[in-house]
Amino acid sequence: QSALTQPASVSGSPGQSITISCTGTSSDVGTYNFVSWYQQHPGRAPKLMIYEVTYRPSGVSSRFSGSKSGNTASLTISGLQADDEADYYCSSYSITTMWLFGGGTKLTVL
Amino acid sequence: QVELQESGPGQVKASETLSLICSVSGYSVNTAYYWGWIRQAPGKSLEWVGSFFHTGRSHYNPSLKGRATIAMDTSRNQVSLEVTSVTAADTAVYYCARDRSRSSFDYWGQGILVTVAP
Repeated sequence: QSALTQPASVSGSPGQSITISCTGTSSDVGTYNFVSWYQQHPGRAPKLMIYEVTYRPSGVSSRFSGSKSGNTASLTISGLQADDEADYYCSSYSITTMWLFGGGTKLTVL
Repeated sequence: QVELQESGPGQVKASETLSLICSVSGYSVNTAYYWGWIRQAPGKSLEWVGSFFHTGRSHYNPSLKGRATIAMDTSRNQVSLEVTSVTAADTAVYYCARDRSRSSFDYWGQGILVTVAP
């Protein structure tokens, strides 16, 4: 069982928006603004998409955005494209374990 | 451009020691970031193994129960990982990544699959 809880799967049609949630506790997501999101295509290394809850690294599309409320962080992808189909993982700094990851969410673009 | 490349044996026998090297180019490991190892068992999520700072400060996932050790060779610009007393549960793709200390892992290697054989 992963420390951060994500839905196993989400889906959407091209052009639509989807949101992936990531629920932690007051020891991690709820206290620290150190939530990051990673995209992983099959057989590839994870790619950083969002860091420190809301920031996008250079080169990442503005269609990706992050937010947080209480113990739950969220990744929103707007204007879904076929290439967005991948696994998405959240991560948070934790006072107990330093780094925690979520169980991952498989995004299907219909 | 920062690039990381993992190398090492693709198979280790149970109860023995897993040893991997991460070769870094485009950035000196002897500067202001941690360098971390993350693993992913087949079909599973990511699991942080540990991170190492050039001053010698290190942090490890308690789930490995003291079996993991990360070291740095600044002359070769490399970071290493050893995991002792491996079992089948240590079978995974092992990634090295630059750890921006609490913020995120911004650069990743391509990963190396290590299988623990009976």
